[in-house]
Amino acid sequence: AQKITQTQPGMFVQEKEAVTLDCTYDTSDPSYGLFWYKQPSSGEMIFLIYQGSYDQQNATEGRYSLNFQKARKSANLVISASQLGDSAMYFCAMREGYNYGQNFVFGPGTRLSVLP
Amino acid sequence: EAQVTQNPRYLITVTGKKLTVTCSQNMNHEYMSWYRQDPGLGLRQIYYSMNVEVTDKGDVPEGYKVSRKEKRNFPLILESPSPNQTSLYFCASSRRTGQITGELFFGEGSRLTVL
Repeated sequence: AQKITQTQPGMFVQEKEAVTLDCTYDTSDPSYGLFWYKQPSSGEMIFLIYQGSYDQQNATEGRYSLNFQKARKSANLVISASQLGDSAMYFCAMREGYNYGQNFVFGPGTRLSVLP
Repeated sequence: EAQVTQNPRYLITVTGKKLTVTCSQNMNHEYMSWYRQDPGLGLRQIYYSMNVEVTDKGDVPEGYKVSRKEKRNFPLILESPSPNQTSLYFCASSRRTGQITGELFFGEGSRLTVL
């Protein structure tokens, strides 16, 4: 079964608008971490934001915020005030606590295109 | 500068010719891992290592080998490459084993083509 689901293969957003990238996850472990990565066309993987399963507040990092809904098992990434440089692939990932945190699983990704 | 270094970045080879992709990190990380990235599939874990001399299979280990003789190095070995191993490969490391925190730091990727 897919542990990380990203249902939007591609998204478009107008420059300066906000956009939400969806991510749902599946785990029975009460202890887990959720991560978002950005992959621009140059290919490198850039860490954006982290949310722990026990964190009470939604994570924020600059223009990035994570809308964490634990009961629904969703961890959507919100990018505010989109910029042209935000055009990239975005991956949601999960690290489960069992087995010493060795399992780090990625979703299929969402390609975001920011329009001028 | 803290980094994960992979080599080669690009490689074209032929079926059956053994090759090694090197990976080195300078952050004293315990955890290291190899992923392959294919369109529509995201990143899939090949092998990982919790520490020196401790390695284990990920989701797609067939056709690959690894070793972890030193903390900083984690080479990926393709003993007899086949065309279905054509992919973009990433090495990654993380500062903690045993905790859910600790993001992965990635190398720049190695694009491998097997003819």
